[in-house]
Amino acid sequence: EIVLTQSPDTLSLSPGESATLSCRASQSLSSSFLAWYQQKPGQAPRLLIYGASSRATGIPDRFSGSGSGTDFTLTLSRLEPEDFAVYYCQQYGSSPRTFGQGTKVEIK
Amino acid sequence: EVQLVESGGDLVQPGRSLRLSCAASGFTFDDYAMHWVRQAPGKGLEWVSGINWRSDVITYADSVKGRFTISRDNAKNSLYLQMNSLRTEDTAFYYCARKVAGNYPFDSWGQGTLVTVSS
Repeated sequence: EIVLTQSPDTLSLSPGESATLSCRASQSLSSSFLAWYQQKPGQAPRLLIYGASSRATGIPDRFSGSGSGTDFTLTLSRLEPEDFAVYYCQQYGSSPRTFGQGTKVEIK
Repeated sequence: EVQLVESGGDLVQPGRSLRLSCAASGFTFDDYAMHWVRQAPGKGLEWVSGINWRSDVITYADSVKGRFTISRDNAKNSLYLQMNSLRTEDTAFYYCARKVAGNYPFDSWGQGTLVTVSS
């Protein structure tokens, strides 16, 4: 089973600032099968990024993903009030599909 | 508009059974594999089970294998999760999610249904 470790656990930032979230895999991910999801309180997760760097439909370009192998990054530029949420990475190249433990981006 | 609506969550005692349903609309159901993902209150996401469109490829997390059974009815655009021998650690919100066949992420999720296992 591939273990995904996200860092940091919590980021405290102000609107307008940028956020950099990390996801490290215990083994190399084939073909960068890595996704990022956003989850707000009381809501289901929403797909943001797939294939490590491709934005899902309707996702604004202030969200960007990068990385390959075992190290991946989600960058949130110019944080908007609605971006404060929990973010999860997930690998979907091997079974079981596993998630990171999440990074909470909170308002400072 | 894609819609996934879960139902069937309830408070049940340890050892009992429960069946969850997920009603799909707004897309061609049998074009997609379907999965269940759960989230214990205040915790992270855990993949539970998945089923392909023909129901001939089915996978389970080790934590539920032998106790949970996933199924689907393409004629009714519905996904199910039969949960037997429930344990307190199965307490969670259960989400259904769809994905395109092959190595793709979950691109749509339902709002979840809460299963509470407690005596």
